[in-house]
Amino acid sequence: SAVISQKPSRDICQRGTSLTIQCQVDSQVTMMFWYRQQPGQSLTLIATANQGSEATYESGFVIDKFPISRPNLTFSTLTVSNMSPEDSSIYLCSVERSYNEQFFGPGTRLTVL
Amino acid sequence: DAKTTQPNSMESNEEEPVHLPCNHSTISGTDYIHWYRQLPSQGPEYVIHGLTSNVNNRMASLAIAEDRKSSTLILHRATLRDAAVYYCILRDVRGYNAGNMLTFGGGTRLMVKP
Repeated sequence: SAVISQKPSRDICQRGTSLTIQCQVDSQVTMMFWYRQQPGQSLTLIATANQGSEATYESGFVIDKFPISRPNLTFSTLTVSNMSPEDSSIYLCSVERSYNEQFFGPGTRLTVL
Repeated sequence: DAKTTQPNSMESNEEEPVHLPCNHSTISGTDYIHWYRQLPSQGPEYVIHGLTSNVNNRMASLAIAEDRKSSTLILHRATLRDAAVYYCILRDVRGYNAGNMLTFGGGTRLMVKP
């Protein structure tokens, strides 16, 4: 298994500001993933973060809005930039140890006023 | 990744078995069938996966149709703690190495009555 922690667990932010979400894993992993879960919705993959290279973004998500860092094999950050109320969501990071099982963090609940 | 179809919600009584269906008529030969669940206010957690044969683990059983176009997640004795959204996901066996990510659909919200 993998133990994943995220900081902050929740935040309330003002429109136009940015928030950086941290994801820490208890062991080294190659791939980390960032998801967004809008209110009442399922999870949508934002990007895949591989250590030592640029993140790969899914359709509809861009680096300027959601810059990602991956400085080492146990840590990643996702920044939600220039926030608007539409960015109010739960943001989750996950890691994959094999092709068959992905582990998720507890999520960061973001509210933008 | 191929698409799956699940009922939006289901209800069960505590300590009774629950059968959660999933249709995946466009499944390919290299697709695994994965199930995850998301408890309230938590991230999703892995439940079980299979390819062709039925699978059992400590959490659940997975029954896969012979033509693989449908599957059923079986919780043998539902508890209140099993109330969650259950996601049925198809994933190419090569995973992210082949550009195949974990794609979540709408899932089935399971409600368990005491």
